[in-house]
Amino acid sequence: DSGVTQTPKHLITATGQRVTLRCSPRSGDLSVYWYQQSLDQGLQFLIQYYNGEERAKGNILERFSAQQFPDLHSELNLSSLELGDSALYFCASSVQKASTDTQYFGPGTRLTVL
Amino acid sequence: AQSVAQPEDQVNVAEGNPLTVKCTYSVSGNPYLFWYVQYPNRGLQFLLKYITGDNLVKGSYGFEAEFNKSQTSFHLKKPSALVSDSALYFCAVSDSMDTGRRALTFGSGTRLQVQP
Repeated sequence: DSGVTQTPKHLITATGQRVTLRCSPRSGDLSVYWYQQSLDQGLQFLIQYYNGEERAKGNILERFSAQQFPDLHSELNLSSLELGDSALYFCASSVQKASTDTQYFGPGTRLTVL
Repeated sequence: AQSVAQPEDQVNVAEGNPLTVKCTYSVSGNPYLFWYVQYPNRGLQFLLKYITGDNLVKGSYGFEAEFNKSQTSFHLKKPSALVSDSALYFCAVSDSMDTGRRALTFGSGTRLQVQP
């Protein structure tokens, strides 16, 4: 158990809908990262937050957004969902924001868009 | 831009034999290299990382990895494979020069199958 929690474990929804994925980082970690894992794209970095502020953006669609709250938990919002958004979404956390920091991953949320 | 290649989709090895999972990388600055393992329906578990120093890095569950700067490689190894090592292995890199991006770039993954 990495200490990173994600809810829900599974989410099934329809095209055009909006969902929110939640992540609680390990105790003491200030950085949160979101990744998407799909069969065709592999593991892709979406976005990083550090202590409440956005630090880096990867291949995140404009329909997707995220935030990190004062208690350091983070939410990833996915809207106008398409079939291709079906994937496993991982949250990871690290102590600080350095490239050398180990990122610890949560169990993931499996999103199925029908 | 940083990139990682895992040239083998699958590696098969007999239990008790040594295993190697290959990884090569490309970065602009100094590489920071990581190995993760993913079991079915689980998240990624951290195995080991190379930041600087000794080229041979020891990690969890008896795994180790060798950093080779001239070959831009970071192969994962284990002297004696266990059936329970069967899983999906990911190599990842971050770049000391890419100050705007703190995230990892992952390889495509290598499935390790250890036969009893």
